[in-house]
Amino acid sequence: DTGVSQDPRHKITKRGQNVTFRCDPISEHNRLYWYRQTLGQGPEFLTYFQNEAQLEKSRLLSDRFSAERPKGSFSTLEIQRTEQGDSAMYLCASSAGFENSPLHFGNGTRLTVT
Amino acid sequence: EDKVVQSPLSLVVHEGDTVTLNCSYEVTNFRSLLWYKQEKKAPTFLFMLTSSGIEKKSGRLSSILDKKELFSILNITATQTGDSAVYLCAHPLSGTYKYIFGTGTRLKVLA
Repeated sequence: DTGVSQDPRHKITKRGQNVTFRCDPISEHNRLYWYRQTLGQGPEFLTYFQNEAQLEKSRLLSDRFSAERPKGSFSTLEIQRTEQGDSAMYLCASSAGFENSPLHFGNGTRLTVT
Repeated sequence: EDKVVQSPLSLVVHEGDTVTLNCSYEVTNFRSLLWYKQEKKAPTFLFMLTSSGIEKKSGRLSSILDKKELFSILNITATQTGDSAVYLCAHPLSGTYKYIFGTGTRLKVLA
């Protein structure tokens, strides 16, 4: 069990640029989640997958955000035309497929939009 | 609408003190409540409480669930500086596997 891994750890970008983050879940986990966290707040749900199917996406998420999980393994989160308000920690988590299985988080990608 | 509310927002104690953190929730169809500890980066899983497991303990940490009053508490006894962290609680929304989190309680333990 190597844990959930995210890449990159940090990303600094200029406003208007596109960024893409990657998440590799724990290998036997079939659910994968993306959360966003800002200072002083709990993680805010963005989207989740069961295998390769994206089952839910936050209504708060603009169309600039898109996530994929081809083949049901790793996932990518892309933010197009970044804005300063996108600056946050982006956390990925995975869980096993059974009822009441907890989320296990990666160390996150910290995005700074200048 | 389902939600999770934690209190207090922050807490400062001295080593050796006992602390109690609160998590109240509103959910249509309760399945589980989770506690996490977040230091500098990833939240790390502490406990999961369910209808069949309303009390959990691990070392100096323990948690109970009151399904009737819709809250959970996390107790830490004989606190140490290494307990300084943000403690988060979360639960899955009714009918989904989407977990929502509270804003967390920031605990600082002074030496």
